[in-house]
Amino acid sequence: QQQVKQSPQSLIVQKGGISIINCAYENTAFDYFPWYQQFPGKGPALLIAIRPDVSEKKEGRFTISFNKSAKQFSLHIMDSQPGDSATYFCAALLNTDKLIFGTGTRLQVFP
Amino acid sequence: DVKVTQSSRYLVKRTGEKVFLECVQDMDHENMFWYRQDPGLGLRLIYFSYDVKMKEKGDIPEGYSVSREKKERFSLILESASTNQTSMYLCASSLYTGTGGYTFGSGTRLTVV
Repeated sequence: QQQVKQSPQSLIVQKGGISIINCAYENTAFDYFPWYQQFPGKGPALLIAIRPDVSEKKEGRFTISFNKSAKQFSLHIMDSQPGDSATYFCAALLNTDKLIFGTGTRLQVFP
Repeated sequence: DVKVTQSSRYLVKRTGEKVFLECVQDMDHENMFWYRQDPGLGLRLIYFSYDVKMKEKGDIPEGYSVSREKKERFSLILESASTNQTSMYLCASSLYTGTGGYTFGSGTRLTVV
C-alpha cells in the first residue's frame, strides 16, 4: 500500500533524445509527488514536483505527467544531455511529511 | 546556501561496535530524517523527527535508534553493528510538514566488517 513502483531500473538514451521514467502507486492518501536527481557521491536533490490536482508540470526540459485515475506519474526529460546522467527517484508524500521513494532509475545519456 | 552536513563520508566499523552517525543542518528546519540507500531498493526511511526530543519509527527501524537533543542535530545510532547494516546512510531535513522538499546531506558510506 505504501510502495511506489519505479521503472525502468536503468535507461540509456542518445543525446537529444527523450528520457521517460515511470512510477505507480496504490495509496490514494499520497498528496505530493516529487522527483529527485542524484549524482554520484552526492545526496538526492529535488528536481521537480507535482500535486495530484494538476495533470502536468513543466520546468525547462523536465516535465511531470500525472494520471490520477491510473495512479501513475512519469518524468520526461526532453533533449537529454550527458549532464543529465544521474540516478532519478520518484517519491510520494504521506500526510505526515514522510516521503516514500521508488527504487531509482540510473540514466545514462551518450553523446 | 542551505546545508545538511554528515560528519563522515566513509566509515568502517567492526561487527558488534556501537556506531554514531551525525547530521547537522543549518536551515532551522523542523523535520529531520534518516534513510538508508541500497542498490535496487531505493531509499528506505529508518527514523524521523518533527521536533527536538521527538522521534518516530520509519519503515526499517530495527537495529537503529536516534537522538535529537538540539533542533539542528539528528544522530543515528547503530546499537550493535552488523554486516547487513553496511549501506549508504542519508540524512535529510525539511522546513515544514507537508512540503516534501527535502534537503539531503551527501551521505555516509558505512561498511561493517
